[in-house]
Amino acid sequence: ILNVEQSPQSLHVQEGDSTNFTCSFPSSNFYALHWYRWETAKSPEALFVMTLNGDEKKKGRISATLNTKEGYSYLYIKGSQPEDSATYLCALWSNTGKLIFGQGTTLQVKP
Amino acid sequence: GAVVSQHPSWVICKSGTSVKIECRSLDFQATTMFWYRQFPKQSLMLMATSNEGSKATYEQGVEKDKFLINHASLTLSTLTVTSAHPEDSSFYICSARDLVASGRQETQYFGPGTRLLVL
Repeated sequence: ILNVEQSPQSLHVQEGDSTNFTCSFPSSNFYALHWYRWETAKSPEALFVMTLNGDEKKKGRISATLNTKEGYSYLYIKGSQPEDSATYLCALWSNTGKLIFGQGTTLQVKP
Repeated sequence: GAVVSQHPSWVICKSGTSVKIECRSLDFQATTMFWYRQFPKQSLMLMATSNEGSKATYEQGVEKDKFLINHASLTLSTLTVTSAHPEDSSFYICSARDLVASGRQETQYFGPGTRLLVL
């Protein structure tokens, strides 16, 4: 069974702080890694799809890196704002053709 | 961006009744839709893959006679929880893959989910 782990499970930061979280996955089954941002009562929103080792992608204040050899991806948020409060999900797209999700990291940004 | 709607967003029903959940891709066509379930403090777990015009493929441990999936058009898939029991209470969410997308870069677009409570 493929396992995708995210840490920490939850995080509370002050507005303006920068933060990061981790997604770990079995490197042997890697095909692509997806990051989603999920606000309460809304649909998960796709942030990044990462495929290449060493990839770095950026969307505004959010960026992500990928290490397929050691099986991890980091998501960074620079200068967190209250509107960044959400659950951030990563999902492994494996050679089975399915998305396998981690449990998510729930971020709360206090004004 | 691509939008997926899901209806209803909340349902409370009595044990033994059947509940139908609809998943629609609003501005794109989807040959493949996915149904996930999430129990409290757990990750989204794939239940089944729904292909337009053919039978759904169920994940191990998911009863196909209990969770009926129909994908009759390129924009609509339905999940029916038959004879629901309290243990079926969960959060159900669908996603859709754009018809023109292919390969590992493709994004899945999610609906907002349906919370089911069976009394």
